[in-house]
Amino acid sequence: DTAVSQTPKYLVTQMGNDKSIKCEQNLGHDTMYWYKQDSKKFLKIMFSYNNKELIINETVPNRFSPKSPDKAHLNLHINSLELGDSAVYFCASSQERSDRVAYGYTFGSGTRLTVV
Amino acid sequence: KNQVEQSPQSLIILEGKNCTLQCNYTVSPFSNLRWYKQDTGRGPVSLTIMTFSENTKSNGRYTATLDADTKQSSLHITASQLSDSASYICVVSATVYKLSFGAGTTVTVRA
Repeated sequence: DTAVSQTPKYLVTQMGNDKSIKCEQNLGHDTMYWYKQDSKKFLKIMFSYNNKELIINETVPNRFSPKSPDKAHLNLHINSLELGDSAVYFCASSQERSDRVAYGYTFGSGTRLTVV
Repeated sequence: KNQVEQSPQSLIILEGKNCTLQCNYTVSPFSNLRWYKQDTGRGPVSLTIMTFSENTKSNGRYTATLDADTKQSSLHITASQLSDSASYICVVSATVYKLSFGAGTTVTVRA
């Protein structure tokens, strides 16, 4: 069973369109994240939700809107897609322990978004 | 300037040989340091995690070291296998949830 699953794996769309990427984790973790990996392979955090509450919101255009219907799901909706949005988007989850370390940080397999 | 610098950017080794990857960081305060392996087209997979008080951690043929005083870490791969070909990413955490990623070292193992 896939621990962190995201769909779709590939997404090709035209500029100006609106699209969503879905993420689900079955690890029982209480925190979920969205990361963007650019062409230089850097992973940068975009958002993080802990028990459905937004706890990290980096400098991301407001065209990107995360939604967490429950702690096992964190979806990413992108409005008015631009060429620069082309990247690989990774979902992840983790569980904080008493020593204030996020353990079990697990990534999904990524969604390759191509805006044409 | 990125707070996590990795070297070398890439390396090629022969199957069965050992190699060592380096990570220097400036992230402060420091909570923990992780090494991830990312295969092409896949998400990163955790290899090791070390907190401030730990200076070495092993996971099979992978051994990570940490010197929190000099803010340096290394990942040693012993007796490399073809399946070790991947990108290895050093990740440093200052807070519980926010991780700072290095650009990774691409390792290619050749038969």
